[in-house]
Amino acid sequence: QKEVEQDPGPLSVPEGAIVSLNCTYSNSAFQYFMWYRQYSRKGPELLMYTYSSGNKEDGRFTAQVDKSSKYISLFIRDSQPSDSATYLCAMLIQGAQKLVFGQGTRLTINP
Amino acid sequence: DTAVSQTPKYLVTQMGNDKSIKCEQNLGHDTMYWYKQDSKKFLKIMFSYNNKELIINETVPNRFSPKSPDKAHLNLHINSLELGDSAVYFCASSQDSGGYGYTFGSGTRLTVV
Repeated sequence: QKEVEQDPGPLSVPEGAIVSLNCTYSNSAFQYFMWYRQYSRKGPELLMYTYSSGNKEDGRFTAQVDKSSKYISLFIRDSQPSDSATYLCAMLIQGAQKLVFGQGTRLTINP
Repeated sequence: DTAVSQTPKYLVTQMGNDKSIKCEQNLGHDTMYWYKQDSKKFLKIMFSYNNKELIINETVPNRFSPKSPDKAHLNLHINSLELGDSAVYFCASSQDSGGYGYTFGSGTRLTVV
């Protein structure tokens, strides 16, 4: 079993829809939770990070962490075609210096 | 001004050859990493260096040898390339253990033929 599980999709939604992306994990020692966006033929870029449980909002993006369920989510409101990319969740144990990634979900927003 | 830069972007080479990939970061970060992304987009850590010292070597074949001449540079040398080494290799850097995230380079697409 992988430490971090993420449905690879692909996920296709119409422009303007609310998108929900999720990851589950098995290691309760993870403390830092991140979402990366990767456009085709580019490197991953950090979208959001959170520490421990709770919600964090940044513009159209909201990250949620539920440590009791070992479940994290990324919500995208008012989705745009420019949001089409692969979204990767990633997690870190404090001091471990090793970011563990989910497989990534390929998202397409259709105009 | 690119924060983490890798060269080359593309590398096509024959089986059995030896090749190197270079990485430089201008963010002043202490820690640098090599990650491998396979055809299914799964990103897996290979090595991490903190201030020129090897911290993580994640059961990578010893044909892969990282070298960090200073904390701003981390190179990857691969001996006797195999078909299965074909992948995209990403360099990344972070401040300390990376709780605020890593900054990735744009990747080196290695194809072994």
